[in-house]
Amino acid sequence: GQQLNQSPQSMFIQEGEDVSMNCTSSSIFNTWLWYKQDPGEGPVLLIALYKAGELTSNGRLTAQFGITRKDSFLNISASIPSDVGIYFCAGEYGSSNTGKLIFGQGTTLQVKP
Amino acid sequence: DTEVTQTPKHLVMGMTNKKSLKCEQHMGHRAMYWYKQKAKKPPELMFVYSYEKLSINESVPSRFSPECPNSSLLNLHLHALQPEDSALYLCASSQDGDTEQYFGPGTRLTVT
Repeated sequence: GQQLNQSPQSMFIQEGEDVSMNCTSSSIFNTWLWYKQDPGEGPVLLIALYKAGELTSNGRLTAQFGITRKDSFLNISASIPSDVGIYFCAGEYGSSNTGKLIFGQGTTLQVKP
Repeated sequence: DTEVTQTPKHLVMGMTNKKSLKCEQHMGHRAMYWYKQKAKKPPELMFVYSYEKLSINESVPSRFSPECPNSSLLNLHLHALQPEDSALYLCASSQDGDTEQYFGPGTRLTVT
């Protein structure tokens, strides 16, 4: 089946540093979503992207829908301790409106105060 | 109200028990989902309901039985589960045909 390759798998950074993670696929995606999950909680939707080249911000978070439609990037600026968690990319490809999302394997972020 | 709620928060059950997980949303969404998530892994889709009808079953074993009594409620009935079914079970909802899925907090299920 379809796979999303998400990298890096984990990051350990100092508070205040910027963070960048990405997802790539061999297939064209119609939509890219970025979620954050805290331990023991459900994923929370951070940013949704719908058009190739689209750049969207949500506070200190910025995400981009790659021009080729095969990748997406998430950047976090000036990280703070509450940014700790697992970040998942997800996307929909092929026939739209099926409700089937493909998830990346996640990037675990740890922030040292 | 932009919340998806799930009950119970935690559930411990034996392999011969019958239990149910419940999910509720009041966002007027017409699509609802059940996911299973193992530790440090991404969510895995189990079922999709669209307009209260089952539209996708990802080859889930029959010991998991979904039910959608109305557009706001989604249940997952559990019977004769195995220890490997222990996981976080997540419910999500979206506008019909909308990719943006909103997740509940999950039910942590332990099968003993």
